[in-house]
Amino acid sequence: GQNIDQPTEMTATEGAIVQINCTYQTSGFNGLFWYQQHAGEAPTFLSYNVLDGLEEKGRFSSFLSRSKGYSYLLLKELQMKDSASYLCAVMDSNYQLIWGAGTKLIIKP
Amino acid sequence: TAGITQAPTSQILAAGRSMTLRCTQDMRHNAMYWYRQDLGLGLRLIHYSNTAGTTGKGEVPDGYSVSRANTDDFPLTLASAVPSQTSVYFCASSDGTGVNEQFFGPGTRLTVL
Repeated sequence: GQNIDQPTEMTATEGAIVQINCTYQTSGFNGLFWYQQHAGEAPTFLSYNVLDGLEEKGRFSSFLSRSKGYSYLLLKELQMKDSASYLCAVMDSNYQLIWGAGTKLIIKP
Repeated sequence: TAGITQAPTSQILAAGRSMTLRCTQDMRHNAMYWYRQDLGLGLRLIHYSNTAGTTGKGEVPDGYSVSRANTDDFPLTLASAVPSQTSVYFCASSDGTGVNEQFFGPGTRLTVL
């Protein structure tokens, strides 16, 4: 079966760095996506990785290792507004997104 | 630009009744999707459409139907609602090129009693 695993909840301090991990087992791989979802709102696109390595976009970076079925999202200089759920999703061989349950990130002052 | 709109924002529905959730996008995207999101679970694909005039079944299609008469609209119908269909429903679209990220509507919160 297809499976995306990520921690249910994480807590971090304002100004710090946090890494959210995602492991996956899917039928085929056509890219890995990270989305941010604030409570009561729609998911919004953060990053995309299709090749191994690190993609940096401002305070957010995303890493992919296809051989290990592993990705992480790195958030630097955390701000209170970063409190949200972070969703990992893999595009499978049918070009459909398989979603993890999301990691709720709590930022404390 | 509105992006994707969904209606209604929320609804309480009696079991056995039918309902259509509306979704409209103004980005001229070819592909559209319907997901449900339940606590502790990832987004689950209900139905999708790769282009106007075609539809396909996702992971959890039972009890739902869709149509795609034109590029902009992708309504989701529950023919006879059951309590297990209580969920938040998101419509999304993508242009099918490049990164092909999906853009989401604001969601419809449906409660079936």
